[in-house]
This record gives sequence, C-alpha cells and structure tokens, in this order.
Amino acid sequence: NAGVTQTPKFQVLKTGQSMTLQCAQDMNHEYMSWYRQDPGMGLRLIHYSVGAGITDQGEVPNGYNVSRSTTEDFPLRLLSAAPSQTSVYFCASSALLLGEQYFGPGTRLTVT
Amino acid sequence: AQSVTQPDIHITVSEGASLELRCNYSYGATPYLFWYVQSPGQGLQLLLKYFSGDTLVQGIKGFEAEFKRSQSSFNLRKPSVHWSDAAEYFCAVGAGSGGAQKLVFGQGTRLTINP
Repeated sequence: NAGVTQTPKFQVLKTGQSMTLQCAQDMNHEYMSWYRQDPGMGLRLIHYSVGAGITDQGEVPNGYNVSRSTTEDFPLRLLSAAPSQTSVYFCASSALLLGEQYFGPGTRLTVT
Repeated sequence: AQSVTQPDIHITVSEGASLELRCNYSYGATPYLFWYVQSPGQGLQLLLKYFSGDTLVQGIKGFEAEFKRSQSSFNLRKPSVHWSDAAEYFCAVGAGSGGAQKLVFGQGTRLTINP
C-alpha cells in the first residue's frame, strides 16, 4: 500500500506557466481533497471530491482547476501560475464514513 | 462560518515535562474535531479525533485531548514529552455538508523540546 502519493516533490514555475500537480491513492477512498499550506495560516482547502465525476470548491479555489475521472486520481491544475500560488500543496483522501484523512508528502511550488 | 484558533504559535517545553496545546473552535453544531502532527518536511498524520461520546479521547504516541463544549475547546495533552515530539501541531474542525471531510485548520503550534 503506497497510500497517497504526490508528484512532483518540488517545482519552480514562471508567472503565467501552467502545470498539473498529480495525486493518487490506492486505498479506494471516495473522498479526496487539495490543501495549500502557507506560513502562519495552517492548511486551507482548495477543492475536494466525494467521488469520481464529482468535485466542489473549497475555501480558496481561484486559480485552480480539478477533475476526478477515476477513484484513484485527483490532479490539480494551475492554468496560469501567479507568485501568490507559491506554497506547499497537500493532497488527502479518506473513506467517507470514517473521516480520517490521509495526507500525501506534499509538493513545494515556487512561482517566480 | 466555522473557524479554529490555536492561540500559541510556538511553545517550548523541556523533555519529560507535561504538555498542553490549546485549540478553540467556532461552529454552531456538534463538531468533528481532529489533531494532526506534521514533522519537518512531511505530510500530516492524525493523532486523534472526536466525533461523539466520551469527551476524553486517546490517540497515538501517548497523546490525549478533551472536548469541552461549554468552552468550545479541544486541547491536546501529553503527560511527558519526548524529543521526538518536536513538530508542528494542527487542530482542525470538520464542518459543513462535508461533515468530517471538509476540514478547517488552525494556524498551527510549533513545539520545540529542550533536552
């Protein structure tokens, strides 16, 4: 069991570039989510999904897109990166009825 | 809207001393409450959770937390800390239609252990 995996671990982008952060889980969890972590602000929910084909916005969705075509994968897309998106991004998953979220190791993104 | 406050940004304790990390939440209904720990450069790991029932919950690594509805608090405690407990600790509340899933996190408390 790999749990929740994220790629890449580190990424540097220039303003205006696009990229996709990958997230996969092998626990057959229905719920998946993306958070960003900034100093002094804890983690903030970007987008989440309660199952394949179903996504919704969290607290800070602007500038990010998601889709959920399979149970296992939940990629996060930055269409036009901005310096304000410099952050550490965490993906998490959980079984809907249990609530405990399992977090990936994170992706550190820098936008210059 | 729901919110979580961790009043202490940084706490330093000596190895072997007791620990209490504070967490206050704001939420209208019965909350789902969590404590997570993050070691440097790592993801978050669940320490314990409260959904209902006994207000004193036990977690991993010798941690416990007590839910006090009257004070809107969910403080984390450990009787004797070890150097390996140095990390950042996050309190979170699961709220809204997502129940336990849509988490709102506090700002975090960084714990330093003196030898």
